[in-house]
Amino acid sequence: AQTVTQSQPEMSVQEAETVTLSCTYDTSENNYYLFWYKQPPSRQMILVIRQEAYKQQNATENRFSVNFQKAAKSFSLKISDSQLGDTAMYFCAFMKPLGGTSYGKLTFGQGTILTVHP
Amino acid sequence: DTGVSQDPRHKITKRGQNVTFRCDPISEHNRLYWYRQTLGQGPEFLTYFQNEAQLEKSRLLSDRFSAERPKGSFSTLEIQRTEQGDSAMYLCASSLKGATDNSPLHFGNGTRLTVT
Repeated sequence: AQTVTQSQPEMSVQEAETVTLSCTYDTSENNYYLFWYKQPPSRQMILVIRQEAYKQQNATENRFSVNFQKAAKSFSLKISDSQLGDTAMYFCAFMKPLGGTSYGKLTFGQGTILTVHP
Repeated sequence: DTGVSQDPRHKITKRGQNVTFRCDPISEHNRLYWYRQTLGQGPEFLTYFQNEAQLEKSRLLSDRFSAERPKGSFSTLEIQRTEQGDSAMYLCASSLKGATDNSPLHFGNGTRLTVT
Protein backbone atom coordinates (compact mmCIF):
# COMPACT_ATOMS: atom_id res chain seq x y z
CA ALA A 1 0.00 0.00 0.00
CA GLN A 2 1.08 3.52 -0.66
CA THR A 3 1.60 6.10 2.05
CA VAL A 4 1.97 9.86 1.76
CA THR A 5 3.51 11.94 4.54
CA GLN A 6 3.39 15.68 4.99
CA SER A 7 5.57 16.55 7.95
CA GLN A 8 4.63 20.23 8.24
CA PRO A 9 1.21 20.63 9.90
CA GLU A 10 1.32 24.42 9.52
CA MET A 11 3.34 26.96 7.56
CA SER A 12 3.16 30.71 7.23
CA VAL A 13 4.62 33.16 4.76
CA GLN A 14 4.52 36.86 4.06
CA GLU A 15 2.73 38.07 1.00
CA ALA A 16 5.00 38.16 -2.09
CA GLU A 17 7.52 35.78 -0.55
CA THR A 18 8.26 32.16 -1.47
CA VAL A 19 7.33 29.10 0.54
CA THR A 20 8.02 25.39 0.08
CA LEU A 21 5.75 22.62 1.33
CA SER A 22 7.22 19.15 1.82
CA CYS A 23 5.85 15.75 0.90
CA THR A 24 7.33 12.27 0.94
CA TYR A 25 5.71 9.06 -0.18
CA ASP A 26 6.34 5.36 -0.16
CA THR A 27 5.52 3.02 -3.03
CA SER A 28 6.86 0.00 -4.85
CA GLU A 29 5.44 1.23 -8.15
CA ASN A 30 7.80 2.60 -10.79
CA ASN A 31 5.26 4.70 -12.61
CA TYR A 32 2.62 6.80 -10.91
CA TYR A 33 1.19 10.30 -10.61
CA LEU A 34 1.64 12.86 -7.86
CA PHE A 35 -0.59 15.82 -7.16
CA TRP A 36 -0.91 18.86 -4.97
CA TYR A 37 -4.46 19.87 -4.12
CA LYS A 38 -5.55 23.07 -2.38
CA GLN A 39 -8.55 23.26 -0.04
CA PRO A 40 -9.44 26.82 1.02
CA PRO A 41 -11.48 27.20 4.22
CA SER A 42 -15.01 25.90 3.68
CA ARG A 43 -14.44 25.57 -0.02
CA GLN A 44 -13.91 22.74 -2.42
CA MET A 45 -10.65 21.02 -3.13
CA ILE A 46 -8.99 22.09 -6.36
CA LEU A 47 -6.03 20.75 -8.27
CA VAL A 48 -2.89 22.88 -8.09
CA ILE A 49 -0.32 20.85 -10.01
CA ARG A 50 0.33 17.34 -11.30
CA GLN A 51 3.52 15.35 -11.97
CA GLU A 52 3.97 12.10 -13.88
CA ALA A 53 6.70 9.97 -12.34
CA TYR A 54 8.14 8.97 -15.71
CA LYS A 55 8.83 12.63 -16.54
CA GLN A 56 12.10 13.92 -15.17
CA GLN A 57 11.18 17.54 -15.78
CA ASN A 58 9.55 19.20 -12.80
CA ALA A 59 6.01 20.44 -13.41
CA THR A 60 5.27 24.15 -13.22
CA GLU A 61 1.98 26.01 -13.24
CA ASN A 62 2.35 29.78 -13.09
CA ARG A 63 3.55 30.59 -9.53
CA PHE A 64 3.49 26.94 -8.50
CA SER A 65 6.30 24.49 -9.16
CA VAL A 66 7.40 21.16 -7.79
CA ASN A 67 10.73 19.59 -6.93
CA PHE A 68 10.27 15.90 -7.75
CA GLN A 69 13.04 13.63 -6.50
CA LYS A 70 12.02 10.12 -7.54
CA ALA A 71 14.88 8.25 -5.88
CA ALA A 72 14.27 10.04 -2.61
CA LYS A 73 10.48 9.72 -3.04
CA SER A 74 10.09 13.40 -2.36
CA PHE A 75 7.63 15.81 -3.96
CA SER A 76 7.73 19.37 -2.62
CA LEU A 77 5.62 22.32 -3.74
CA LYS A 78 7.09 25.77 -4.15
CA ILE A 79 4.78 28.77 -4.20
CA SER A 80 6.40 31.92 -5.48
CA ASP A 81 5.10 35.46 -4.97
CA SER A 82 2.61 34.23 -2.36
CA GLN A 83 -0.82 35.84 -2.42
CA LEU A 84 -3.48 36.14 0.27
CA GLY A 85 -5.69 33.84 -1.79
CA ASP A 86 -3.12 31.07 -1.41
CA THR A 87 -4.19 30.65 2.22
CA ALA A 88 -5.55 27.11 2.38
CA MET A 89 -4.89 23.53 3.41
CA TYR A 90 -2.59 21.87 0.89
CA PHE A 91 -2.67 18.14 0.30
CA CYS A 92 -0.10 16.01 -1.44
CA ALA A 93 -1.61 12.96 -3.14
CA PHE A 94 -0.46 9.80 -4.92
CA MET A 95 -2.19 7.92 -7.73
CA LYS A 96 -1.36 4.46 -9.04
CA PRO A 97 -0.51 4.09 -12.73
CA LEU A 98 -2.83 3.45 -15.63
CA GLY A 99 -4.04 -0.10 -16.06
CA GLY A 100 -4.89 -1.24 -12.58
CA THR A 101 -8.35 -1.28 -11.12
CA SER A 102 -7.24 1.25 -8.56
CA TYR A 103 -6.25 3.76 -11.19
CA GLY A 104 -7.79 7.08 -10.37
CA LYS A 105 -7.86 6.47 -6.63
CA LEU A 106 -5.92 9.07 -4.69
CA THR A 107 -4.02 8.50 -1.47
CA PHE A 108 -3.69 11.77 0.42
CA GLY A 109 -1.25 13.08 2.99
CA GLN A 110 -2.37 14.68 6.22
CA GLY A 111 -2.22 18.18 4.81
CA THR A 112 -0.34 21.40 5.55
CA ILE A 113 -2.18 24.55 6.58
CA LEU A 114 -0.61 27.51 4.80
CA THR A 115 -1.34 31.03 5.98
CA VAL A 116 -0.25 33.99 3.89
CA HIS A 117 0.12 37.17 5.93
CA PRO A 118 -0.24 40.67 4.44
CA ASP B 1 -18.45 22.47 -17.02
CA THR B 2 -20.82 23.03 -14.11
CA GLY B 3 -18.63 21.19 -11.62
CA VAL B 4 -19.37 18.37 -9.21
CA SER B 5 -22.50 19.05 -7.17
CA GLN B 6 -23.28 17.54 -3.78
CA ASP B 7 -26.49 17.69 -1.79
CA PRO B 8 -27.07 18.52 1.00
CA ARG B 9 -24.20 20.74 2.11
CA HIS B 10 -24.86 20.01 5.74
CA LYS B 11 -26.74 17.24 7.52
CA ILE B 12 -27.37 16.91 11.24
CA THR B 13 -28.88 13.65 12.37
CA LYS B 14 -29.41 11.71 15.53
CA ARG B 15 -27.50 8.53 16.22
CA GLY B 16 -29.27 5.53 14.77
CA GLN B 17 -30.95 7.38 11.92
CA ASN B 18 -30.30 6.70 8.24
CA VAL B 19 -28.94 9.39 5.94
CA THR B 20 -28.49 9.60 2.19
CA PHE B 21 -26.25 11.95 0.23
CA ARG B 22 -26.33 12.69 -3.47
CA CYS B 23 -23.54 13.53 -5.89
CA ASP B 24 -23.92 14.78 -9.45
CA PRO B 25 -20.60 14.49 -11.31
CA ILE B 26 -19.41 16.53 -14.26
CA SER B 27 -21.63 15.32 -17.07
CA GLU B 28 -19.06 13.65 -19.34
CA HIS B 29 -17.10 12.02 -16.50
CA ASN B 30 -17.40 8.26 -16.30
CA ARG B 31 -15.63 7.74 -12.96
CA LEU B 32 -17.08 8.79 -9.64
CA TYR B 33 -15.42 8.58 -6.23
CA TRP B 34 -16.50 8.95 -2.62
CA TYR B 35 -14.06 10.06 0.06
CA ARG B 36 -14.44 10.80 3.76
CA GLN B 37 -12.53 13.61 5.44
CA THR B 38 -12.37 14.16 9.19
CA LEU B 39 -11.34 17.50 10.64
CA GLY B 40 -7.71 18.37 10.00
CA GLN B 41 -7.02 15.20 8.02
CA GLY B 42 -6.65 14.28 4.39
CA PRO B 43 -9.52 12.60 2.56
CA GLU B 44 -9.73 8.81 2.78
CA PHE B 45 -10.97 6.75 -0.14
CA LEU B 46 -14.30 4.97 0.34
CA THR B 47 -15.38 3.67 -3.05
CA TYR B 48 -15.50 4.38 -6.75
CA PHE B 49 -17.59 3.67 -9.82
CA GLN B 50 -16.80 3.45 -13.47
CA ASN B 51 -20.10 4.16 -15.16
CA GLU B 52 -22.62 2.17 -13.10
CA ALA B 53 -20.17 -0.49 -11.90
CA GLN B 54 -18.75 -0.21 -8.39
CA LEU B 55 -15.14 -1.29 -8.95
CA GLU B 56 -13.57 -0.90 -5.56
CA LYS B 57 -14.62 -0.49 -1.94
CA SER B 58 -12.40 0.46 0.98
CA ARG B 59 -12.33 -1.54 4.19
CA LEU B 60 -13.50 1.73 5.75
CA LEU B 61 -16.86 1.12 4.10
CA SER B 62 -18.65 -0.98 6.70
CA ASP B 63 -21.86 -2.90 6.10
CA ARG B 64 -23.80 0.19 7.19
CA PHE B 65 -22.56 2.08 4.13
CA SER B 66 -23.88 1.54 0.65
CA ALA B 67 -23.28 3.47 -2.54
CA GLU B 68 -25.06 3.29 -5.85
CA ARG B 69 -24.78 4.81 -9.27
CA PRO B 70 -27.76 3.24 -11.02
CA LYS B 71 -27.58 4.88 -14.43
CA GLY B 72 -23.95 5.82 -14.49
CA SER B 73 -24.77 9.45 -13.79
CA PHE B 74 -25.50 10.65 -10.25
CA SER B 75 -24.56 8.61 -7.19
CA THR B 76 -25.98 8.19 -3.72
CA LEU B 77 -24.19 7.26 -0.51
CA GLU B 78 -26.38 5.91 2.27
CA ILE B 79 -25.35 5.40 5.87
CA GLN B 80 -27.65 3.25 7.96
CA ARG B 81 -27.88 3.37 11.76
CA THR B 82 -25.51 6.32 11.97
CA GLU B 83 -22.92 6.47 14.74
CA GLN B 84 -21.08 9.47 16.16
CA GLY B 85 -17.92 8.22 14.51
CA ASP B 86 -19.57 8.76 11.13
CA SER B 87 -19.39 12.52 11.64
CA ALA B 88 -17.18 13.82 8.84
CA MET B 89 -17.15 15.60 5.52
CA TYR B 90 -18.14 13.29 2.68
CA LEU B 91 -16.54 14.32 -0.59
CA CYS B 92 -17.51 13.25 -4.06
CA ALA B 93 -15.18 13.54 -7.03
CA SER B 94 -15.36 12.64 -10.69
CA SER B 95 -12.92 12.09 -13.53
CA LEU B 96 -12.82 10.96 -17.14
CA LYS B 97 -11.05 7.74 -17.94
CA GLY B 98 -9.75 7.83 -21.49
CA ALA B 99 -7.88 5.27 -23.49
CA THR B 100 -4.47 6.62 -22.62
CA ASP B 101 -4.91 8.94 -19.72
CA ASN B 102 -7.11 9.84 -16.85
CA SER B 103 -8.11 13.36 -16.10
CA PRO B 104 -7.47 14.65 -12.60
CA LEU B 105 -10.19 14.27 -10.02
CA HIS B 106 -12.62 17.17 -9.70
CA PHE B 107 -14.11 17.48 -6.24
CA GLY B 108 -17.46 18.74 -5.04
CA ASN B 109 -18.00 20.98 -2.01
CA GLY B 110 -18.80 18.00 0.17
CA THR B 111 -21.58 17.09 2.58
CA ARG B 112 -20.77 17.72 6.22
CA LEU B 113 -22.46 15.13 8.43
CA THR B 114 -22.88 15.67 12.16
CA VAL B 115 -24.26 12.79 14.21
CA THR B 116 -25.53 13.81 17.63
